[in-house]
Amino acid sequence: GQNIDQPTEMTATEGAIVQINCTYQTSGFNGLFWYQQHAGEAPTFLSYNVLDGLEEKGRFSSFLSRSKGYSYLLLKELQMKDSASYLCAVRSDTDSWGKLQFGAGTQVVVTP
Amino acid sequence: DTEVTQTPKHLVMGMTNKKSLKCEQHMGHRAMYWYKQKAKKPPELMFVYSYEKLSINESVPSRFSPECPNSSLLNLHLHALQPEDSALYLCASSQWSGESTEAFFGQGTRLTVV
Repeated sequence: GQNIDQPTEMTATEGAIVQINCTYQTSGFNGLFWYQQHAGEAPTFLSYNVLDGLEEKGRFSSFLSRSKGYSYLLLKELQMKDSASYLCAVRSDTDSWGKLQFGAGTQVVVTP
Repeated sequence: DTEVTQTPKHLVMGMTNKKSLKCEQHMGHRAMYWYKQKAKKPPELMFVYSYEKLSINESVPSRFSPECPNSSLLNLHLHALQPEDSALYLCASSQWSGESTEAFFGQGTRLTVV
């Protein structure tokens, strides 16, 4: 089976930095994705890691360590609009290509 | 165009009704997906189509029937649903293989079964 864990909720102040951790145990690995989802809206793609290391995209960065089954999403210079749920998702290569398994999501609350 | 369009946005149906959800994308993606999402829960995969063929069915009850008439369209036919089937139904698409395989999601259909 597959297990993807991330914290339920995190609170941070506008302008600060927040790091959302994700640990996974999957039978095979073929990529990890981070999505942002505002309440009542569709998930939107943020980042993709398949090799170890850091991927930077503006205010958002994502890190992967395959040996540790660990990823984090770093949000810098937080803005109020960053208040949302952040979903970690893993693609396993032992399943068919299309299967994306989501973690439960981390609700980030940005306060003034 | 990086859009996945779903219709309708909202749907209320009775337990004896038959209805269909529709999804369309024009990004040339050959993988299309249906996900179900309950409030405060992550999306749960229901079906995957690759090259218009059903490749994954996550043991979904037969009252949900997917259809992929062509590479741009994906339907989900609903019949004899239960109140517990009320949820946000998300359609997504992606390339089937290669580097850029992120899934693009539609805005979803908010379904209420009464």
